[in-house]
Amino acid sequence: NAGVMQNPRHLVRRRGQEARLRCSPMKGHSHVYWYRQLPEEGLKFMVYLQKENIIDESGMPKERFSAEFPKEGPSILRIQQVVRGDSAAYFCASSDGQGQTFGSGTRLTVV
Amino acid sequence: AQTVTQSQPEMSVQEAETVTLSCTYDTSESDYYLFWYKQPPSRQMILVIRQEAYKQQNATENRFSVNFQKAAKSFSLKISDSQLGDAAMYFCAYRRGGSEKLVFGKGTKLTVNP
Repeated sequence: NAGVMQNPRHLVRRRGQEARLRCSPMKGHSHVYWYRQLPEEGLKFMVYLQKENIIDESGMPKERFSAEFPKEGPSILRIQQVVRGDSAAYFCASSDGQGQTFGSGTRLTVV
Repeated sequence: AQTVTQSQPEMSVQEAETVTLSCTYDTSESDYYLFWYKQPPSRQMILVIRQEAYKQQNATENRFSVNFQKAAKSFSLKISDSQLGDAAMYFCAYRRGGSEKLVFGKGTKLTVNP
């Protein structure tokens, strides 16, 4: 079992570009969560998805951010028109309802 | 809203000694879970230990144990016989029963001195 796989590990984008972060959950897990970690901070919940459904997006910024977890393929966190303040580590976790296993994160740097 | 507070931004311990990391939380719920996660420089979030609020017995995992004081809303982590590999950021986290959302504290950076 390869665990939760996130790619890319590092992503650099210029202001105004789009960032796409991918997360493949553990085999057999149908729940996916995205968290953001700003420097010197703990992780902050963004969104919780099950296959083809957004269950809880209470932590997602209202604009520019979106997430999906299609029937086939990885979950995608998309950030449009990135700004410097979007620079952070973005973590994905998956679960089968029993507890969350985290990936190693994607560090997004906006220049 | 639930909050998790870790009042120690940094802690240090000598190898083989014992260290305790503090965590307090605020909730009006009766059904919840508490966690300690370790984040080494590799950035991977690793679950160290978990406690169900309805259980009075403190959770233990090898050298890691917790002191869960429900009335005081305190959930400290004790690391015994500290090893160099224990050096990392440690995050305390809360999850309300029936919710999937984890609420994290800001973390404590643990340094282990040889």
